[in-house]
Amino acid sequence: ETGVTQTPRHLVMGMTNKKSLKCEQHLGHNAMYWYKQSAKKPLELMFVYNFKEQTENNSVPSRFSPECPNSSHLFLHLHTLQPEDSALYLCASSQGTDNTDTQYFGPGTRLTVL
Amino acid sequence: GQNIDQPTEMTATEGAIVQINCTYQTSGFNGLFWYQQHAGEAPTFLSYNVLDGLEEKGRFSSFLSRSKGYSYLLLKELQMKDSASYLCVSVNSNYQLIWGAGTKLIIKP
Repeated sequence: ETGVTQTPRHLVMGMTNKKSLKCEQHLGHNAMYWYKQSAKKPLELMFVYNFKEQTENNSVPSRFSPECPNSSHLFLHLHTLQPEDSALYLCASSQGTDNTDTQYFGPGTRLTVL
Repeated sequence: GQNIDQPTEMTATEGAIVQINCTYQTSGFNGLFWYQQHAGEAPTFLSYNVLDGLEEKGRFSSFLSRSKGYSYLLLKELQMKDSASYLCVSVNSNYQLIWGAGTKLIIKP
C-alpha cells in the first residue's frame, strides 16, 4: 500500500536536535492529519489540515510545528523535544473533511528522543 | 467526558469466532469506525456503521446499537494473520473522532 508514505520510518534524536517528519499522500485527498500513538493509549490527534489550511491544533506544544505546503504534502518539524515525546507518529489523509470518511494512514515514523 | 471502552487484550484459537466489544460515551453520535492495526504497521479501515444493525463483510461483521452506545466486531474463521490490534473509533456530534486504545487480539494455533 503506497497511498500514504512517511519518511523517515525510524528517527533517533537528542533533545537539542531539529528534525522534520515528512508525509505524502498520492490519493488526491483534501484532508491530512498528524497523530501521536503511544503504547496502550488511544491515538492522539495533533493537527488537521483541510484544503491546506490548518483547522485543528489539539493543544500541541510549540516544539511541534506543522507545515502543509500543498494538499499532498505534510511536514512535522521537531525541535527541543522531550523523552516523553518518543512515540509512533502517524500521518493520515481522507477525501472528506468532516471525519465521516475513511482515513488512510501512512506506516508511521518511530521516534525516539534521547 | 467522552471515552471509548474496549478490552485491552483477547486470545482466540485459529478457525474459531471472536467478538470484540466496544462501548462509547460521546456527546452526540455520527457513526463508528473499526480499524485494524498490525504490529508496526498503519491502521487500516475495516468498517463504518452509522445505523443500527449488523453489517457483514466477508469474515468480518460489525454491529451497532445506538440506543445502548455499543458496537462489536465479529471475526469468523480466524486466521493467524488476524492477530492485530482492533481500534474502535466514535464520531461525536462535532464530527470529532474519539479513539479507543485498541484491543490486541492474539490468535493461537
